[in-house]
Amino acid sequence: DVKVTQSSRYLVKRTGEKVFLECVQDMDHENMFWYRQDPGLGLRLIYFSYDVKMKEKGDIPEGYSVSREKKERFSLILESASTNQTSMYLCASSPAAGGSYEQYFGPGTRLTVT
Amino acid sequence: AQKITQTQPGMFVQEKEAVTLDCTYDTSDQSYGLFWYKQPSSGEMIFLIYQGSYDEQNATEGRYSLNFQKARKSANLVISASQLGDSAMYFCAMSLGGDTGRRALTFGSGTRLQVQP
Repeated sequence: DVKVTQSSRYLVKRTGEKVFLECVQDMDHENMFWYRQDPGLGLRLIYFSYDVKMKEKGDIPEGYSVSREKKERFSLILESASTNQTSMYLCASSPAAGGSYEQYFGPGTRLTVT
Repeated sequence: AQKITQTQPGMFVQEKEAVTLDCTYDTSDQSYGLFWYKQPSSGEMIFLIYQGSYDEQNATEGRYSLNFQKARKSANLVISASQLGDSAMYFCAMSLGGDTGRRALTFGSGTRLQVQP
């Protein structure tokens, strides 16, 4: 079974702190994604990566950066956390070829910025 | 730009009845994929079903079927014989990207389904 894990289920940080959200997948997938989920808005893409050290901006990249030094790990970084970044963050991975390109999701990290 | 619209914020259905969750999409691409995901209260995203834009037959997976009407740009999810465990948030999503395999998803706002005994 594909497994996508995220470093924390719940996280509370203060405004201005640098925050790291880690995501690891064990299926050798090329693609990895970070989404944020807010009520009434569904999931919105922040960044994605299709290879090591490669990244592309999604729909809402402002205030975020990412890092992918190893194929299995994709990190989301909030350089200076703000209260409007309080949200649920979901990581996902998918293969680059074959089938439906279904994305496999991690359990999510609920981040609260106070 | 691509867009997914789910116009039903909430739906109720009686146990054992069928229910249709609506989804319309907007894209000018010819090659795309349509997905449905289920999110129970525990928060995990569970893949349900997929339809490719060139697939001529509607996708089915057990009690789930996708009613794909390309000309109307709709991809409704049909759940037959609803069960209490089907109570969850349901998201419709679309991927673009042709054959590159670099396929991010665009999601709708979701429909919360509640199955009543």
